[in-house]
Amino acid sequence: GAGVSQSPSNKVTEKGKDVELRCDPISGHTALYWYRQSLGQGLEFLIYFQGNSAPDKSGLPSDRFSAERTGGSVSTLTIQRTQQEDSAVYLCASSLAENYGYTFGSGTRLTVV
Amino acid sequence: AQTVTQSQPEMSVQEAETVTLSCTYDTSESNYYLFWYKQPPSRQMILVIRQEAYKQQNATENRFSVNFQKAAKSFSLKISDSQLGDTAMYFCASEANSGYALNFGKGTSLLVTP
Repeated sequence: GAGVSQSPSNKVTEKGKDVELRCDPISGHTALYWYRQSLGQGLEFLIYFQGNSAPDKSGLPSDRFSAERTGGSVSTLTIQRTQQEDSAVYLCASSLAENYGYTFGSGTRLTVV
Repeated sequence: AQTVTQSQPEMSVQEAETVTLSCTYDTSESNYYLFWYKQPPSRQMILVIRQEAYKQQNATENRFSVNFQKAAKSFSLKISDSQLGDTAMYFCASEANSGYALNFGKGTSLLVTP
């Protein structure tokens, strides 16, 4: 596609429920990244994909968080048993090559009530 | 590890004036890249400017330019002829040449007033 597409744009969920956030990167971009943006906390790196593999999952905050990428394209970030502290904007980005800067999506605002 | 510090949480500038946003960073890498991103209320992060650390020349993109002081580890963004559409959060970020994850500062909220 022309840009990085994320869905849903906004998600409100009850504490304890599972949520799936989707990212559709720019066609041909082999690298894909997930970041979390919490109020007053800046952007926090979660995970990086090169193709379908995730060489760096070090940013995932707990084992409730997981992500996958299929076909070298769409990625899904899953949060199980959501907690209120998971409330944040989840941003996805893709890039054609490292060090050239990313193209970001508009994010998913997750609110856990 | 790389850290990025933006010491100005909020700034304000009048339309058509010039404003400079500060950023300092700390890195042990010999080569790295620096970026400024803009995040308007739409939430989408937009790349404003990119600087390769091994290049002495300051990067420029239209009204946006940087003052890169490698020894001081400073990377400030100058916005000339400010426009109302420049109102946004601005994030400074670094990336190691050997890496892929961007390290972001906490951002500066810029308000451009008529």
